Amino acid sequence: GNSVTQMEGPVTLSEEAFLTINCTYTATGYPSLFWYVQYPGEGLQLLLKATKADDKGSNKGFEATYRKETTSFHLEKGSVQVSDSAVYFCALSDRSSASKIIFGSGTRLSIRP
Amino acid sequence: GAVVSQHPSWVICKSGTSVKIECRSLDFQATTMFWYRQFPKQSLMLMATSNEGSKATYEQGVEKDKFLINHASLTLSTLTVTSAHPEDSSFYICSASETGGNAYNSPLHFGNGTRLTVT
Repeated sequence: GNSVTQMEGPVTLSEEAFLTINCTYTATGYPSLFWYVQYPGEGLQLLLKATKADDKGSNKGFEATYRKETTSFHLEKGSVQVSDSAVYFCALSDRSSASKIIFGSGTRLSIRP
Repeated sequence: GAVVSQHPSWVICKSGTSVKIECRSLDFQATTMFWYRQFPKQSLMLMATSNEGSKATYEQGVEKDKFLINHASLTLSTLTVTSAHPEDSSFYICSASETGGNAYNSPLHFGNGTRLTVT
């Protein structure tokens, strides 16, 4: 079945550091890929998405590229801020059930001032 | 933007009692809502898909008689944990997409979750 694997946290970085959170997936067919973010005390929000191979999703300085050859969708940001501290979830949805989303385990990110 | 309200945000109940969790779409209609469960340090596990006006579709391994789902209107779905036991303690999250949308053209909107503790 479909699944998502992402790096375990917590990840602690200093402000302005480079961020990478790894995510790989297993899926039949051609899923869409997502990154969701959960800020403290809030619900999940869509951060970015990519719907086909080689697409790059981007938002708020974060980027992720849909790599079919490596079945990956790693999240990157060139310079993190304290306000980026949150839990990040990699996820996929299958075209056969477009609103049914499978999540990774989440990665907690903490940024030190 | 679209808001999903989930209530209560936390609840403590005694073993053997039932607990109802509500999920409301506040400014949009949602034909389909989803219920997730999250264990500590684990991913969100999809429990069931709630369809307005029809029976919910449960994922494999989820007891439908234990987790009763009702989706009586386009803006409200409820999850009732019946005869709760300590192992049902968890974080429950609902989500919804706008009617006619899907994950490609209409992102899911999530509630803030409900922390259930069964003593």
